[in-house]
Amino acid sequence: SQQGEEDPQALSIQEGENATMNCSYKTSINNLQWYRQNSGRGLVHLILIRSNEREKHSGRLRVTLDTSKKSSSLLITASRAADTASYFCGDRCEGAQKLVFGQGTRLTINP
Amino acid sequence: EAGVTQFPSHSVIEKGQTVTLRCDPISGHDNLYWYRRVMGKEIKFLLHFVKESKQDESGMPNNRFLAERTGGTYSTLKVQPAELEDSGVYFCASSQDPESAYEQYFGPGTRLTVT
Repeated sequence: SQQGEEDPQALSIQEGENATMNCSYKTSINNLQWYRQNSGRGLVHLILIRSNEREKHSGRLRVTLDTSKKSSSLLITASRAADTASYFCGDRCEGAQKLVFGQGTRLTINP
Repeated sequence: EAGVTQFPSHSVIEKGQTVTLRCDPISGHDNLYWYRRVMGKEIKFLLHFVKESKQDESGMPNNRFLAERTGGTYSTLKVQPAELEDSGVYFCASSQDPESAYEQYFGPGTRLTVT
């Protein structure tokens, strides 16, 4: 199983700016996923990028994957106050049903 | 359709006490998962039920944790006796298709504080 490590652990930006969060993993991945957790709410699946993909877009989200560096980045463009949350990368553990996550990045969007 | 629900949303107990967390999965979902996040660390898997059977309990930290899913509907996670390091957020998730771990729907979590 791989374990993602998000970087930075905390990020604070002004509303309207872009936010970039990075995730590194130790072994191989199947499909890397990004999740968001708002305070008091559960994990919400944001976007999935497959191991053979390099970039994927979904609305204001852009995810890249570099398998040679074993890293992924999540870019949120034109940030909004509602984007304030913790963001996690994760993957399904090989041969099992469980998901494996990193420590997360706490993103704060200042008005 | 109701999502995954968890109760309570927050629990504060003293070290040595017992706490029981409850999870109600989405109706019809045979697969139920427990995860937890302690003190800003990563979210870690605890266990996986398929209906009432424990499919994978490799993430259960020790025998102070007991998970049940009688009847294959809701699940409970009991911590007895609770220790300080058990503080964190406990998430429950459910899915219909066991082959698609990506389709796990998460509940809002229960924040457990052990003092």
